[in-house]
Amino acid sequence: QVQLVESGGGVVQPGRSLRLSCAASRFTFSAYAMHWVRQAPGKGLEWVALIWFDGSKRYYADSVKGRFTISRDNSKNTLFLEMNSLRVDDTAVYYCARESLKIAPGDLDYWGQGTLVTVS
Amino acid sequence: QSVLTQPPSVSGAPGQRVTISCTGSSSNIGAGSDVNWYQQLPGTAPKVLIYGNTNRPSGVPDRFSGSTSGTSASLAITGLQAEDEADYFCQSCDSSLSARNYVFGTGTKVIVL
Repeated sequence: QVQLVESGGGVVQPGRSLRLSCAASRFTFSAYAMHWVRQAPGKGLEWVALIWFDGSKRYYADSVKGRFTISRDNSKNTLFLEMNSLRVDDTAVYYCARESLKIAPGDLDYWGQGTLVTVS
Repeated sequence: QSVLTQPPSVSGAPGQRVTISCTGSSSNIGAGSDVNWYQQLPGTAPKVLIYGNTNRPSGVPDRFSGSTSGTSASLAITGLQAEDEADYFCQSCDSSLSARNYVFGTGTKVIVL
C-alpha cells in the first residue's frame, strides 16, 4: 500500500524558517507529480504547491509564492517544502499528496497523515 | 486565486438523498477542468471519493456520484448512512499556459440526523 509520511513540523516564531519532508514508499516515486496541501485549524483545505515528477516544473499558491519552495529527491523518494518568512496565518496541518496518473491534471489519490506547523 | 464555493452544511436522515453543490468559474470548472471530490472524516486525511467529474475509485460505494454542468459540479449521496457524516471538498484546477493552480472548495459538512 502506498505510504506517505510527513515530518518536520513544530512550533516556530514568525519570520523564521522550517523544512518539511515527506517520505514516500511502496510506489515509483519518480513517476508521480507531488503536492503540498494545508489545512488551518478548523478550516478547509488550501493547495500550497505542486512539483512535476522530474522536478522540471513547480507551481505555487499566491499566498506562499516567493516564501515557500517545493523540491524533491527522487533518489531518496522524498518530497520537501522549504518554508521561509513564516507568518501566523501559515499555521496549519501540512499534507503531502500524490497526484494520480488516471487523468490529467490528476486527483490527489494518496495523502500522508499530515504534520502540524504552528507559527507563534 | 479562485476558490470553489460550497454550502457550509447539508443534512439528511438515514436513507435519504443529499446533494452538495460546488460553484466555480470560467477559469476552472467552466473551462472544462475536471472536478474531484474528497471526503474527510474527523481527525483524518482527506480521501478521494470521485475523480474526473464522475468516476469512483475502487472501494467507494456507488451511493456516491458526481456530475458537472457549466461552471458548477455536484456530489450526490443516496441512501445516506451514519458513517457518511464528514466534511466534503470539491477540487478543480485553474489552468493556463504559464500556471497550474489547484483550487479547493470551501467545504461542506454532511450531518446525518
